[in-house]
Amino acid sequence: GQNIDQPTEMTATEGAIVQINCTYQTSGFNGLFWYQQHAGEAPTFLSYNVLDGLEEKGRFSSFLSRSKGYSYLLLKELQMKDSASYLCAVEDSNYQLIWGAGTKLIIKP
Amino acid sequence: DVKVTQSSRYLVKRTGEKVFLECVQDMDHENMFWYRQDPGLGLRLIYFSYDVKMKEKGDIPEGYSVSREKKERFSLILESASTNQTSMYLCASSLRTDYNEQFFGPGTRLTVL
Repeated sequence: GQNIDQPTEMTATEGAIVQINCTYQTSGFNGLFWYQQHAGEAPTFLSYNVLDGLEEKGRFSSFLSRSKGYSYLLLKELQMKDSASYLCAVEDSNYQLIWGAGTKLIIKP
Repeated sequence: DVKVTQSSRYLVKRTGEKVFLECVQDMDHENMFWYRQDPGLGLRLIYFSYDVKMKEKGDIPEGYSVSREKKERFSLILESASTNQTSMYLCASSLRTDYNEQFFGPGTRLTVL
């Protein structure tokens, strides 16, 4: 079967750094997406990785290791507005997105 | 900016009613998707469409049907609503199949009583 695992919830402090992990087992791999979803709102695209390594985009970075079936999203200089759920999704061999259940990130002052 | 709109943010229906959820995208995307999102579960794909008049079943199509008569519009139909279909319904669209970045509508929170 296909499976995406992420922690259910994480707590971090404003101004700090947090790493959200995602491990996956899927039928094929054509890329990995991270989305942000604020409560009651639609998911919005954050990053895409298809090759191994780190992709940096401002305060957010995403890392991929295809051999380990592993990715992480790194958020630096945390702000209160970063409180949201972070969804990991893998594009499988049929180009369908397989979604993790999401990680709820709580930022404390 | 890509815009995906859904006909209602909140909807309350009774068991057995026929329910229509409408989704429209304005960026000429080929691909459109319907998901439901429930607490503790990932987004689950109900149906998708890669072209007008075309539809494919996703992971949980039972109790649902879809219609895509025009490229920009993708409708989800609950033939006879049941309480276990109470959920958040999200519509999405994407331009390409080989790079499936999806753009989401605001969602419809459906309650079936």
